[in-house]
Amino acid sequence: GENVEQHPSTLSVQEGDSAVIKCTYSDSASNYFPWYKQELGKRPQLIIDIRSNVGEKKDQRIAVTLNKTAKHFSLHITETQPEDSAVYFCAASIRGVIKAAGNKLTFGGGTRVLVKP
Amino acid sequence: DSGVTQTPKHLITATGQRVTLRCSPRSGDLSVYWYQQSLDQGLQFLIQYYNGEERAKGNILERFSAQQFPDLHSELNLSSLELGDSALYFCASSPHLGRGAYEQYFGPGTRLTVT
Repeated sequence: GENVEQHPSTLSVQEGDSAVIKCTYSDSASNYFPWYKQELGKRPQLIIDIRSNVGEKKDQRIAVTLNKTAKHFSLHITETQPEDSAVYFCAASIRGVIKAAGNKLTFGGGTRVLVKP
Repeated sequence: DSGVTQTPKHLITATGQRVTLRCSPRSGDLSVYWYQQSLDQGLQFLIQYYNGEERAKGNILERFSAQQFPDLHSELNLSSLELGDSALYFCASSPHLGRGAYEQYFGPGTRLTVT
């Protein structure tokens, strides 16, 4: 089955600096890669996603890049703010033959990001 | 608020007992997924239902079972509970049509503590 590795496990940055989290996946059939942000005791919240037919996607201060050949994807947060402090999870999914069914997410181990004021 | 609801928020029970966790997906979503989040195992997929039918199974123990009802709400049943079953249990739902068919939205979770 799919295996997703995520690095680093913890990341401390100064406010205003950039943060980069990297993930690799094992199954070349994976075609959907979401990123979730989870604050302590809260639900994972979808912040950005990318599909395999796209190399890069940006939404304000966050961006995700995908390298299908190398089977890795990354999350970039620019101009970090204290409210960016949370645990971030990458995930990979294989779109099912039946589009309507959606498909399970395989998660990386998470990165705890701390933004120091 | 994702639109996915889960009850109860917290559950404390003893080893050997049985509990039922409930999830209501976002309006219009046909797929429901259950995930377990523990400190040492991270977020693990348990099982998926689509429009009442089981669609995919992950690392779900035989002591655990789930179902999705005609009104699309889902229940996760955990029996013969062990200390190691203590975790956060999340339900997620996804749409069935259009560009959003991939996205999964998580509920607030149920924190299960087995003593």
